[in-house]
Amino acid sequence: AQSVAQPEDQVNVAEGNPLTVKCTYSVSGNPYLFWYVQYPNRGLQFLLKYITGDNLVKGSYGFEAEFNKSQTSFHLKKPSALVSDSALYFCAVTQTGGNKLTFGTGTQLKVEL
Amino acid sequence: EAQVTQNPRYLITVTGKKLTVTCSQNMNHEYMSWYRQDPGLGLRQIYYSMNVEVTDKGDVPEGYKVSRKEKRNFPLILESPSPNQTSLYFCASSLAGGENSPLHFGNGTRLTVT
Repeated sequence: AQSVAQPEDQVNVAEGNPLTVKCTYSVSGNPYLFWYVQYPNRGLQFLLKYITGDNLVKGSYGFEAEFNKSQTSFHLKKPSALVSDSALYFCAVTQTGGNKLTFGTGTQLKVEL
Repeated sequence: EAQVTQNPRYLITVTGKKLTVTCSQNMNHEYMSWYRQDPGLGLRQIYYSMNVEVTDKGDVPEGYKVSRKEKRNFPLILESPSPNQTSLYFCASSLAGGENSPLHFGNGTRLTVT
């Protein structure tokens, strides 16, 4: 069975500081990893994905994520946070040939002035 | 505009009264799916469909039905809703499902069953 863990319910960061939202995963085969963002009263929006290749993946709005196979992690990062980045972030995983995407429980990011 | 449209956005009903939440996408996507979002549990998949007339259970299918009679529509049916189905529901679609197709989500339907 595949699973995703987001160990932090909430992350607080000051505007302009770097941010990290953590994600670890478990799959039996090769992982395919995604980050989605949810703004209030909206559906989830795709940010970025890791399929294969370079371990550092760049996505929308200046976000990037680092895939680490040995630590089974896929942490979301941004060098300089904005107040408008405040939202709920979800990590998700599937595997080769998988039709089901398993989501983590979400991490609320709060960026303050 | 490419989008996934769910209706209604808000729904309050009583236990046992059948209801349908509609979902439509205009992107000619093969894959469609329903999720429920609950605090502390993230998103859990209810049902998914790889193509017309092809549906399969997700992680929490009990108490729900779906149909996929045409590519663009994927309604979620609660034959006899119960209070534990009070939740925020999302419909999503993607080009082909699987690892290479990011999901496009609707704006959600908040269901309350009393």
